[in-house]
Amino acid sequence: GEDVEQSLFLSVREGDSSVINCTYTDSSSTYLYWYKQEPGAGLQLLTYIFSNMDMKQDQRLTVLLNKKDKHLSLRIADTQTGDSAIYFCAIISDSWGKLQFGAGTQVVVTP
Amino acid sequence: SAVISQKPSRDICQRGTSLTIQCQVDSQVTMMFWYRQQPGQSLTLIATANQGSEATYESGFVIDKFPISRPNLTFSTLTVSNMSPEDSSIYLCSVLTGFNYGYTFGSGTRLTVV
Repeated sequence: GEDVEQSLFLSVREGDSSVINCTYTDSSSTYLYWYKQEPGAGLQLLTYIFSNMDMKQDQRLTVLLNKKDKHLSLRIADTQTGDSAIYFCAIISDSWGKLQFGAGTQVVVTP
Repeated sequence: SAVISQKPSRDICQRGTSLTIQCQVDSQVTMMFWYRQQPGQSLTLIATANQGSEATYESGFVIDKFPISRPNLTFSTLTVSNMSPEDSSIYLCSVLTGFNYGYTFGSGTRLTVV
């Protein structure tokens, strides 16, 4: 099955850019998502990228996909205190559309 | 994308009892998914629930412990049976309404077993 790995913690100053990284093992991965989970809340879909794309930009969010290295990243520009949360990368890699999650990266934004 | 109403949002239960969690979707969906998120951990898929057939369970999860019902295309329940403190987790339901929209998640049920 798919293995998805993320670094567990990221501290960033308000106004700086955050980069959250994710690696995966299954080269047949098709859809790759980033979710945000705030304390006590459910999961919110932030953005996604298809495997035939290298980059996707959506306002402050930029997703980069390196298929050769099986590496996915999420860049948040001008990070705000409201961006403090846990960020999960999640990947669909089988025909059922089963979603495999990384462990989550806790992002802490300091003033 | 779909909107999911999940309840209860939280509960504290005695060990040995059972809790049934409900998810209602505002549109018809073929598959519904149930996840467990243990404290400080990522999400683990428990089972996939299709309407009109038995749920498909992932390795490590069994029907006797987590029976699932899927009576129609907008509703599903997950029961956590004979609970122990190790079952204390957040349980989430999810649907896939299209790959462009990803999976939509319910707000979760925070279960504490004492």
